[in-house]
Amino acid sequence: GDSVTQMEGPVTLSEEAFLTINCTYTATGYPSLFWYVQYPGEGLQLLLKATKADDKGSNKGFEATYRKETTSFHLEKGSVQVSDSAVYFCALSDVLFGNEKLTFGTGTRLTIIP
Amino acid sequence: EAQVTQNPRYLITVTGKKLTVTCSQNMNHEYMSWYRQDPGLGLRQIYYSMNVEVTDKGDVPEGYKVSRKEKRNFPLILESPSPNQTSLYFCASSPTGPILQETQYFGPGTRLLVL
Repeated sequence: GDSVTQMEGPVTLSEEAFLTINCTYTATGYPSLFWYVQYPGEGLQLLLKATKADDKGSNKGFEATYRKETTSFHLEKGSVQVSDSAVYFCALSDVLFGNEKLTFGTGTRLTIIP
Repeated sequence: EAQVTQNPRYLITVTGKKLTVTCSQNMNHEYMSWYRQDPGLGLRQIYYSMNVEVTDKGDVPEGYKVSRKEKRNFPLILESPSPNQTSLYFCASSPTGPILQETQYFGPGTRLLVL
């Protein structure tokens, strides 16, 4: 079945550092890929998405590129801020099997220190 | 304001006492879904609904029921809660479902403790 593997957290960085959160996936169809963010005490919000190979999703300074050859969708940001502290979830939806749900990774907790 | 609401936000109950967590969206979305979030496991889907009167099981449906009598509401029912259902629950909705790569909108979550 489909699965998503994220780098283990927690991740702690200093403000203005470069961020990478790794995400790889296994899917039998043609998945769309998503990054969701969960701020403390809140529900999940879509951060960015990519629907086909080589697409780049971007939002709020975050970027991720859909790499079919490496089955990856790593999240990057060039200069993080304290306000980026949150839990980040990589997820996929598999179009081929008509799978009407998102499959999530386990989440990566990010803490940014001033 | 477009939103997904859940009630209650926090609930402490005892084993075997039936409970219902309500979910409502005001965006006229067709698709709704319930997830539970547990440490180290991420979010796992419990049930989803493509439209009124259409529901289907997700990855972890055991011990849960749902109904979709109206488009806006999608309650989650625990007929006989057990301690392993202690979790953080999220309701989500989207216009037609993730298969069309549409954004899912999540509620604020319901934290449930079953003693």
